[in-house]
Amino acid sequence: QSVLTQPPSVSGAPGQRVTISCTGSSSNIGAGYDVHWYQQLPGTAPKLLINANSDRPSGVPDRFSGSKSGTSASLAITGLQAEDEADYYCQSYDSSLSGSKVFGGGTKLTVL
Amino acid sequence: QVQLQESGPGLVKPSQTLSLTCTVSGGSINSGDHYWSWIRQPPGKGLEWIGYIYYSGSTHYNPSLKSRLTISVDTSKNQLSMKLSSVTAADTAVYYCARESEPHYFDYWGQGTLVTVSS
Repeated sequence: QSVLTQPPSVSGAPGQRVTISCTGSSSNIGAGYDVHWYQQLPGTAPKLLINANSDRPSGVPDRFSGSKSGTSASLAITGLQAEDEADYYCQSYDSSLSGSKVFGGGTKLTVL
Repeated sequence: QVQLQESGPGLVKPSQTLSLTCTVSGGSINSGDHYWSWIRQPPGKGLEWIGYIYYSGSTHYNPSLKSRLTISVDTSKNQLSMKLSSVTAADTAVYYCARESEPHYFDYWGQGTLVTVSS
């Protein structure tokens, strides 16, 4: 089981808004550690989408946004496009696991 | 533009040692500005952080793999390497190397290399 919990799948029609949740605990997200998000297109390596909860690296469309509150974080995608169909992973740092980086189990986004 | 490239055998026998190398280009491991990590992904499953190394040679490992894992760095070749001993089928995965920036996120990834553990 993953330390961070994500829904296995979400879906939405083109143009719609979807959100993906990431739930942690008091030793990771709740302890104040930042949450980062990655997009993994089929057959490719993960790509950094959001870092430090809400910062978008250069080149990432502003349709992608992140937020964090308490022991949870969320990734929102607005104006859904077919090319957004991918797996999405959240990631943080966990102080109870000897300082390990931890990932969510991943969420498969299907664009209907 | 920083690029990372993993290399190593695609097939390893059970109980043997898995060895991989990651070559970094477009940036220097020696700069000391980043950590350099290994991450793996079993087929059809999620991501697991394996461990990291700093240019000085200091390391930090995932506790679940610590007893079998060694990560090393060769700054003269701008490479990092990993060795995982006593492998089983559960170690079959795509292995990625990645650059870690503060605060604890991975901003550059290699393309990954599939390692299958099978006799």
